[in-house]
Amino acid sequence: GQQVMQIPQYQHVQEGEDFTTYCNSSTTLSNIQWYKQRPGGHPVFLIQLVKSGEVKKQKRLTFQFGEAKKNSSLHITATQTTDVGTYFCAGFYNQGGKLIFGQGTELSVKP
Amino acid sequence: GAVVSQHPSRVICKSGTSVKIECRSLDFQATTMFWYRQFPKQSLMLMATSNEGSKATYEQGVEKDKFLINHASLTLSTLTVTSAHPEDSSFYICSAREGVEQPQHFGDGTRLSIL
Repeated sequence: GQQVMQIPQYQHVQEGEDFTTYCNSSTTLSNIQWYKQRPGGHPVFLIQLVKSGEVKKQKRLTFQFGEAKKNSSLHITATQTTDVGTYFCAGFYNQGGKLIFGQGTELSVKP
Repeated sequence: GAVVSQHPSRVICKSGTSVKIECRSLDFQATTMFWYRQFPKQSLMLMATSNEGSKATYEQGVEKDKFLINHASLTLSTLTVTSAHPEDSSFYICSAREGVEQPQHFGDGTRLSIL
């Protein structure tokens, strides 16, 4: 069935270090979306990638969508304490019309 | 930006009580709303997809008689946890989207605690 795998589960970094989380789908995605959930909060939409090989940037965040539209990554440059939270990728499949969430990567940043 | 309001934010009640949670899209029409359950340190587990004017589609393993969903209008969906028991304690989150491939916008979630 449709499945989205996300690694790593946890990442602890020193402030200023870079961070990357990876997502992989078992089948081709229509699009992939990224969300951030702060501790105690709800997921907040960050970005959506649709095109094969697409790269989008939001300040220190860089999002990539693989050529085969099966994998994606989120890279944060020079992490700050405000980046703390859990980052979820979510793959959208045409079949079924629903988002399948990855397991999430919990990022902690030591000042 | 798109805003989704979810109420109540926290419920504490006795076992056997039924609890109703509301999810409203405030500034857009949501043809589809989703209900998720999230356990601590875990991902969001989709429970059901709610389409306006029709019956909800439940995911495998989710009891439709236990978790009643009503999507009465393009801006409101409700989830009723019937005869709740301690094992139903969890964080329930709704989301809404305007179109099929549009991003989902989440409510603040409801933390349900059954004593």
